[in-house]
Formats: sequence, structure tokens, C-alpha cells
Amino acid sequence: EVQLVESGGGLVQPGGSLRLSCAASGFSINAYWMTWVRQAPGKGLEWVANINAAGSATYYVDSVKGRLTISRDNAKNSLYLQMNSLRAEDTAIYYCTRYILVTGPLFDSWGQGTLVTVSS
Amino acid sequence: DIVMTQAPLSLSVTPGQPASISCKSSQNLLHGNGRTYLSWFLQRPGQSPQLLIEEVSNRFSGVPDRFSGSGSGTDFTLKISRVEAEDVGVYYCVQSMEHPITFGGGTKVEI
Repeated sequence: EVQLVESGGGLVQPGGSLRLSCAASGFSINAYWMTWVRQAPGKGLEWVANINAAGSATYYVDSVKGRLTISRDNAKNSLYLQMNSLRAEDTAIYYCTRYILVTGPLFDSWGQGTLVTVSS
Repeated sequence: DIVMTQAPLSLSVTPGQPASISCKSSQNLLHGNGRTYLSWFLQRPGQSPQLLIEEVSNRFSGVPDRFSGSGSGTDFTLKISRVEAEDVGVYYCVQSMEHPITFGGGTKVEI
């Protein structure tokens, strides 16, 4: 069974840092692009970042560039999101998901999410 | 960036009746490879999103055939032929034609 399990969320002060992890099981992430999507409380879905299968290319939404860094460890079958210089507007549930470039499927499996709250 | 606009914002439906959601993109989602990168997701209350439709009209594995997608270019539609109680939630369209990947604002479907 395909599973994605996020962890690492919590309460952090503005300007602080967190590192999110996503542990995959039931499949090998090295065949997939991996993605973080977030959802602010009561709001819609927002794509945050992608990383290609090899980990050599990354893409970010403009609002997080220079502050959030996506990475992966294919040997550990895990995805990460290093979050620095956090702002109140980063408060959200962060989901990890996967896709296959070109042929898809897009985001066919999601984790349960981990909540990040940025507040003093 | 490609802007995705959904309508309506919310929809109240009687079980057994049809429902339709519109999604418009600010740019053509037809890629040079012939594929159109428009997908639909459902997020049930308290749950993670789930993939319903990929590439405009391809139902994902296990998705009931009462769900169908159509459209081309910049105009797309998700239809539910006969709404059931389990279909309540928020529906999102999303384009993956180019980065940044962008979602529509969502359409809340209520019974």
C-alpha cells in the first residue's frame, strides 16, 4: 500500500525555522517527482515546491523562494522541506504528494498533512 | 503565472441530481506534446485531497463513472451525473502545464 507520512510540524515564532519530513512506503520515490502542497486554515490548496526524481532540479512558488528548500533522500525514501525565516502567512497544513512528469498521474497519493503554525 | 478560476464558489445539490463545475485557465493548457494538463481533485471534509480526473477527462483508478471531465484549451468542466452524499466537499481544478503549478480557488459542494 502506498503511504506518505508527513512529520515535523509545530508552533514556531516568526523568523524561526522548521524541517518537515515525508516518509514514503509502498513505493520507491526515485521514480517520482515529489511535491509539497499547503493549505492555510479555511483556505484552498497552494502548490509550494517540486523536486525532480534525481533531486537535481527544484521549483518554488514565488512567495517561498529563498526561504523554503525542498530536498529528497532517495536512499531513505524520504522528502524534506527546510523552512527558514518563517512568516505568519506560512501557517498551513503541509501535504506531500507525488507525480510522474509528462504522463502522470498528477498527485495520485497524498499524506495526511502536518500543521505548521507561525505565531508569537 | 497561469490563473485558474472556478465557478461557482459553492453549490447546493439534491441527491440524485446532476452538478457541474466550471474551471477557466488564463492560458491554453494544451502542451506541445498533445496532452492537456488539467486535473480535478476532491477534498472531503477533514481529509486530504484525492485525484478524480487527469488530463481533462481521464477518470483516475477507482473513481465512479458518475464523475466526468470535459473541455479544451482554457475552458473545462467537471460534471457529476447524480450527486451522492459522499460527494460533498471542495472540488479543485489544477494546471500542471507549467511551473508554478496553480490550483483553482475551489468549489464547495453541499447536499
